[in-house]
Amino acid sequence: GAGVSQSPRYKVAKRGQDVALRCDPISGHVSLFWYQQALGQGPEFLTYFQNEAQLDKSGLPSDRFFAERPEGSVSTLKIQRTQQEDSAVYLCASSLVRGGTYNEQFFGPGTRLTVL
Amino acid sequence: SQQGEEDPQALSIQEGENATMNCSYKTSINNLQWYRQNSGRGLVHLILIRSNEREKHSGRLRVTLDTSKKSSSLLITASRAADTASYFCATDEANSKLTFGKGITLSVRP
Repeated sequence: GAGVSQSPRYKVAKRGQDVALRCDPISGHVSLFWYQQALGQGPEFLTYFQNEAQLDKSGLPSDRFFAERPEGSVSTLKIQRTQQEDSAVYLCASSLVRGGTYNEQFFGPGTRLTVL
Repeated sequence: SQQGEEDPQALSIQEGENATMNCSYKTSINNLQWYRQNSGRGLVHLILIRSNEREKHSGRLRVTLDTSKKSSSLLITASRAADTASYFCATDEANSKLTFGKGITLSVRP
């Protein structure tokens, strides 16, 4: 079956511009995660949804970052007034169960955001 | 913040040799996972070991976990050129989110 898909794959934004990144999780997966990966670093957690509920947004770096998953499927990560330090790859992952012992996450290919 | 720290940061070996990568972490965990990332296929889950397990095998992969030392190792046996990638350990502290290390760059020379 299809894996996690993300769009766009690449996004170039001018500083101050708003961007929206989309994630389509694997069908039926309850949990959805967003991570930010800077160049040469490991992914860092941003936020987590269980169905449509945003249960953890502790990793969002500022109030310019906003994520939603209104129908418990597709999710959008929005970044307002982008800054150069927002340049990174944004990864989306989904998992079948609610977490815990068997929390294998399936990752999408990521969106590479470059802010000029 | 990143909890896991992998060691070494970079590893270069000849095809057919074994590759051993280590990971240390700081807090109590529910499970520890290893992922591989390359430009062609993104981040791929390799293996998960639970906190009450000490060793697990999957194909050419062997992972160990020592919770008393807060460390894990990943062994890839009989390496292939296709194993060339970055490898990350990630810890799950029972709150669902994963905390990744900075990664190890593995190069397998044909």
